[in-house]
Amino acid sequence: GENVEQHPSTLSVQEGDSAVIKCTYSDSASNYFPWYKQELGKGPQLIIDIRSNVGEKKDQRIAVTLNKTAKHFSLHITETQPEDSAVYFCAARRGGDTNAGKSTFGDGTTLTVKP
Amino acid sequence: KAGVTQTPRYLIKTRGQQVTLSCSPISGHRSVSWYQQTPGQGLQFLFEYFSETQRNKGNFPGRFSGRQFSNSRSEMNVSTLELGDSALYLCASSTQGAGANVLTFGAGSRLTVL
Repeated sequence: GENVEQHPSTLSVQEGDSAVIKCTYSDSASNYFPWYKQELGKGPQLIIDIRSNVGEKKDQRIAVTLNKTAKHFSLHITETQPEDSAVYFCAARRGGDTNAGKSTFGDGTTLTVKP
Repeated sequence: KAGVTQTPRYLIKTRGQQVTLSCSPISGHRSVSWYQQTPGQGLQFLFEYFSETQRNKGNFPGRFSGRQFSNSRSEMNVSTLELGDSALYLCASSTQGAGANVLTFGAGSRLTVL
């Protein structure tokens, strides 16, 4: 089955700096790669996603890049703010409606942004 | 638009008991998935229901089961609870079709087994 590895497990940055989280996946049939942010006491919330026909996607301070050949995708957060502090998860999933609910998640990265 | 609602939010059980957790998906979402989140194992897929049928299943023992009702609400049941079942159980719903299939999670039900 699919295996997703996520690094680093913890990341501490100064406010205003950039943060990068990296993930690799094993299943070449995976074609959807979401990123989730989980705050204390809440469920994971989708912050950005990318599909395999796109190499990069950006939404304000957040961007995701995908290298299908290397089976590698990354989350980039620029101009970090204290409210970005949370646990971030990457995930991978095969395409098609029948796989809609079945994602494989990385182990998470605890991001701390110091004021 | 109301989000995914999970009940109860917190519960404490003892070993050997059983538990039922409930999930109400976003209106119009017909797919409901369940995940177990623990510090040691991370987020692991339990199963997915679509139109009252289990469509996918993860690698969990038969003690873990679920069902979906005609209104898309879903329940999961864990029988003969073990200490290792202590976890946050997350439910996620999604729509279907091209460009969709994005999971929206609820806040979870935190189960503690004593």
